[in-house]
Amino acid sequence: EAGVTQFPSHSVIEKGQTVTLRCDPISGHDNLYWYRRVMGKEIKFLLHFVKESKQDESGMPNNRFLAERTGGTYSTLKVQPAELEDSGVYFCASSQRVSGPGETQYFGPGTRLLVL
Amino acid sequence: AQSVTQPDIHITVSEGASLELRCNYSYGATPYLFWYVQSPGQGLQLLLKYFSGDTLVQGIKGFEAEFKRSQSSFNLRKPSVHWSDAAEYFCAVGAGFGNEKLTFGTGTRLTIIP
Repeated sequence: EAGVTQFPSHSVIEKGQTVTLRCDPISGHDNLYWYRRVMGKEIKFLLHFVKESKQDESGMPNNRFLAERTGGTYSTLKVQPAELEDSGVYFCASSQRVSGPGETQYFGPGTRLLVL
Repeated sequence: AQSVTQPDIHITVSEGASLELRCNYSYGATPYLFWYVQSPGQGLQLLLKYFSGDTLVQGIKGFEAEFKRSQSSFNLRKPSVHWSDAAEYFCAVGAGFGNEKLTFGTGTRLTIIP
């Protein structure tokens, strides 16, 4: 079974440009999460999709970030325009819906974004 | 709000020595606790998790963790480390039941010396 995949693995852009990150979750996983780790800090939650709906976007930093999950399969995270503080590693995770406790999130390798 | 503290940023141990990585959490109800590991160039891999029941949890790669409610801790242990255990380790807490986002600690980087 394929794991969570993310593309690109690395991206270097200049301040003011646009970047789109993609995440393909494990097949059949309804839950999809985006997290970010800024250098030296903790991994922070950005948002949570259940199928194509945004369940929780409380962690999105500002309106320069736009996440979509059309059709409830892969997801994209667009940053427009990018700022220096957006640099970091962006992780995607997916999980199956369960009726009680026991959900396990499976993480992708991350996209390393550097804004110059 | 929930939070996780990993007090050790970097730990160095000798190969074959025992290991304990500390994790303290803050959460009002029964937490769901996780340890993930990130090896160089890899994504986060789940080592083990605690939801309920036996407070000593066994994981992959010979790791175990013990949930101590009285100390709000979930420390990770391994009796004898291998060079391949060099990685960064993250403790996380989740609320579960429809609020599944994870709150992570800042991570502990483990270096193994021969």
